[in-house]
Amino acid sequence: DVKVTQSSRYLVKRTGEKVFLECVQDMDHENMFWYRQDPGLGLRLIYFSYDVKMKEKGDIPEGYSVSREKKERFSLILESASTNQTSMYLCASSLEDREYFGPGTRLTVT
Amino acid sequence: GESVGLHLPTLSVQEGDNSIINCAYSNSASDYFIWYKQESGKGPQFIIDIRSNMDKRQGQRVTVLLNKTVKHLSLQIAATQPGDSAVYFCAEGKGAQKLVFGQGTRLTINP
Repeated sequence: DVKVTQSSRYLVKRTGEKVFLECVQDMDHENMFWYRQDPGLGLRLIYFSYDVKMKEKGDIPEGYSVSREKKERFSLILESASTNQTSMYLCASSLEDREYFGPGTRLTVT
Repeated sequence: GESVGLHLPTLSVQEGDNSIINCAYSNSASDYFIWYKQESGKGPQFIIDIRSNMDKRQGQRVTVLLNKTVKHLSLQIAATQPGDSAVYFCAEGKGAQKLVFGQGTRLTINP
């Protein structure tokens, strides 16, 4: 079974803090994704990566950056957290078509 | 101006009835389609997928139907159970490109 894990289920941070969200997958998948999910807005793609050290902007990259130093790990970075980044963050990985999701991190920025 | 989130479509069914959740997709060139189930506070879980060379695919208690003529996808759940309560997402993809997700439908089960 594919396993995608995220470093935290719940996280509370203050405005202006630098925040790291970590995602690890154990199936040697090439592709990894970061989404945020807000009520009524569905899944919105922030960044994705098709290979180590490679990254592509998704639909809403502003205020975020990513890092992929190893194939199994994809990190999402909020350089200076703001209250409008309070959301559910979902990581996913895939080999071809099907994306496998982690459990999500609910981030609250106060 | 302020953006307003969309209301999530909701489907209510009686326990034991069959559920049909519909999805319209946008890209006629998409060749891969997938349904996910997301329970409250959890990440989306794979239910079933189908490629464009098929019209129908069945799993355990679930069936996906694909109508390429009208760009429509549906998920049928047989004998709906309380554990089926969740938000259901469809997604479309083409080749190795990333998936494009629909807004989701909330399924609630009435006892």
